[in-house]
Amino acid sequence: EVQLLESGGGLEQPGGSLRLSCAASGFTFTSFAMNWVRQAPGKGLEWVSGISGSGAGIYYADSVKGRFTISRDNSKNTLFLQMSSLRAEDTAVYYCAKDRSVVGPDYFDHWGLGTLVTVSS
Amino acid sequence: DIQMTQSPSSLSASVGDRVTITCQASQHINNYLNWYQQKPGRAPKLLIYDVSNLEVGVPSRFSGTRSGTDFTFTISSLQPEDLATYYCQQYENVPVTFGGGTKVEI
Repeated sequence: EVQLLESGGGLEQPGGSLRLSCAASGFTFTSFAMNWVRQAPGKGLEWVSGISGSGAGIYYADSVKGRFTISRDNSKNTLFLQMSSLRAEDTAVYYCAKDRSVVGPDYFDHWGLGTLVTVSS
Repeated sequence: DIQMTQSPSSLSASVGDRVTITCQASQHINNYLNWYQQKPGRAPKLLIYDVSNLEVGVPSRFSGTRSGTDFTFTISSLQPEDLATYYCQQYENVPVTFGGGTKVEI
């Protein structure tokens, strides 16, 4: 059974940094791209970033480019999102989402439960 | 970026009704269109990929079609457990983008 468990969310001040993690199990981690998708309170879904199975292909939404860094540790089946220069508009639930392909981003066939990031002074 | 215009933003229907949601892409996206269901307080769930392919375990009352850059999602007979918000998503280009969502009330 595929399981994705996010952690690392919390309250951070504007301009601060947070590192999100997503521990994956139940599938061959290196065979699939992974993504982060966020949802601001009461709003819709916004894709944030994606990374290919090998880690060679990396993609970002314009809204986070230059501030967020996605990475993965295939030896530990873990996906990361390093978030810096945080803004109030980054406040959201951040979901880890497994891609259906090794290259990505395509469609997201499994999702974690999400971790809440709140940016406020 | 490709814009996905989803309508309506909300709808109310009765059990047994046929429900239709549409998404219009701002440019050609081939068949790279997926549909997700998000129940209140839950993570999204993939229902349909590549316009019309049902994900494993998804009931056959859900379906999808395409006409050019217009995509339609249909629930043939609404059930109480279908209370949710539904989103379309394109992956023709990066960034992948979602429609604004349709909240289905019963």
